Amino acid sequence: AQSVTQLDSHVSVSEGTPVLLRCNYSSSYSPSLFWYVQHPNKGLQLLLKYTSAATLVKGINGFEAEFKKSETSFHLTKPSAHMSDAAEYFCVVSHSLGAGNMLTFGGGTRLMVKP
Amino acid sequence: DVKVTQSSRYLVKRTGEKVFLECVQDMDHENMFWYRQDPGLGLRLIYFSYDVKMKEKGDIPEGYSVSREKKERFSLILESASTNQTSMYLCASGAGYGYTFGSGTRLTVV
Repeated sequence: AQSVTQLDSHVSVSEGTPVLLRCNYSSSYSPSLFWYVQHPNKGLQLLLKYTSAATLVKGINGFEAEFKKSETSFHLTKPSAHMSDAAEYFCVVSHSLGAGNMLTFGGGTRLMVKP
Repeated sequence: DVKVTQSSRYLVKRTGEKVFLECVQDMDHENMFWYRQDPGLGLRLIYFSYDVKMKEKGDIPEGYSVSREKKERFSLILESASTNQTSMYLCASGAGYGYTFGSGTRLTVV
């Protein structure tokens, strides 16, 4: 069975300080992993994805994530938070199911950025 | 850019009505999904489809059905809407290399 755990439901940082959003997964197979961001009243936007190439993945808006198989983690980081980063972030694992693919979502982490 | 278009942004329906939520994608993806998103519960999978006329139940299929007659269109049907189906509904399409979400339909059942 596949599962995704986002370890913090809320994270608060000051503008200009680093961001760390934590994600652990369990998967029977080599997974594809994604981070999505959702701003208020908007749909989900892809930040970055890991699909078994380089373990350090760079995404949009200065975000990056490192796939660590030994720790079953895929934490999202950004060196310096901006006010516009305030949003909800979802860690997602994709895995094959029958002839198709299925997505499993983490519970989400709400990032708040203080001026 | 891949586009996933949901037909309505906001919808208000009465209890007992039959409701259709439409989703169209323009990238010839095999996989399409319907989720509902509720505060404190995250995103929960209702149904997904991996080919025309194929469908699989997700985690919360009760009270819903789906239709996929053409590859680009995946419809979610509420046979008899109830107030506990008030929610944000998100459609997605894609494959293991990436998924694109629509902007969502906020459905209110009164």
